[in-house]
Parts: sequence; C-alpha cells; structure tokens
Amino acid sequence: NAGVTQTPKFQVLKTGQSMTLQCAQDMNHNSMYWYRQDPGMGLRLIYYSASEGTTDKGEVPNGYNVSRLNKREFSLRLESAAPSQTSVYFCASKLLQGRAYEQYFGPGTRLTVT
Amino acid sequence: AQSVTQPDIHITVSEGASLELRCNYSYGATPYLFWYVQSPGQGLQLLLKYFSGDTLVQGIKGFEAEFKRSQSSFNLRKPSVHWSDAAEYFCAVGVGEKLTFGTGTRLTIIP
Repeated sequence: NAGVTQTPKFQVLKTGQSMTLQCAQDMNHNSMYWYRQDPGMGLRLIYYSASEGTTDKGEVPNGYNVSRLNKREFSLRLESAAPSQTSVYFCASKLLQGRAYEQYFGPGTRLTVT
Repeated sequence: AQSVTQPDIHITVSEGASLELRCNYSYGATPYLFWYVQSPGQGLQLLLKYFSGDTLVQGIKGFEAEFKRSQSSFNLRKPSVHWSDAAEYFCAVGVGEKLTFGTGTRLTIIP
C-alpha cells in the first residue's frame, strides 16, 4: 500500500515549456487535490476533484489544467511554464467526498522554471 | 470564507522543554481542525484532528491540541520536545471538500 505517489520528484523547465505532473493513490479515495507550496505562504489549493469525472478550481488555478483520469489518478498540467510557477507541488487524497476528513499527501514534486 | 492564522513564523525550543504552537481560525460554525507536520523535503503527515466531542485531542508522536471555541483557537502542545520534532507545522481548517492551511510555524530544537 503505497498511499499517494507523485512523479517526477524533481523537474527543471524552461519558460514556455509544458509538462504534466502525475499523481496516483491506492487507498480507494474519492477526492483528490493539487496544492502548491511557496515559502511563507503555506499550501494553496490549485484544483481538486471531488469524485471521478469532476474537477473544480481552487484558490490559484491560473496557468494550470487538471485531468481526473480515473479514480486512482489525477494529473496536473502546465501548458506554458512561467518562473512564477516555480514551487513544490503536492498531491493529496481524501476518502469521503463532500466531508472535511483528513487528506493524505504525496511526497511532492519540486519544480523550477528558468 | 474560512481562514487560519499561525502567528509564529519560527519558534526555537530547547530539547526536553515544553512546546505550544498557536493556531487561530475564522469560520462561522464549528470547523473541522487539523494539525500536520512536514519534515524537510517531505510531504505532510497528519498529527491530529478535531471534529467534535472532547475538546482535548491526542495525536501521534506525543502531541495534543485543545479546541477553544471562545478563542477560536486550536493550539498544539507537547510536554517535552525531542530533536526529531524539528520540522514545520501547519494548522488547517476543513470545510466541505477543502482544507485551508495556515502559513506554518517552523520549529527549531536546540540541544
């Protein structure tokens, strides 16, 4: 039981390049989330998916797209990376849809955009 | 909308001393409250949570937190810290699908 896994662990992009961050969970959770973490700002929600087939914007969605591929997988895409997207990205999942249960986090992806 | 304030950006404590990390929340009803810990280069691990009932909740690694409705607070405590407790600590409030995090408190332990 691996929990929440993320790939890659590290990535360096040039401005304007695109990439997809992958996230998978094996806990049969319904809800999945993408956050970014920047120094002094805590974690901010980018997008979330309350259930398979649905996605919603969070606090900072601009410049990102997401896909809930199936119940296990939730990917985050940067279509044209910008230096402001340099951050650590965390994926998380939660068992119950619609209720504020605890979220389980992946190990993170450290992204640098030059 | 809900919000969380962690007023202390950085706290330094001697090993063996007691610890209290402050968290204040803003929300119209009784929220679901969480404390997470993040070791350097790692993801977030849940320390404890409060949903309802007893206002003093016990967590992992010897941590506890007390919910005080009158003060809108959910402070984290530990009676005696260990060097391995050095990390960043995040308080969060859960409403529906979303968790809203505070900006974190970095804990340094000195021998």
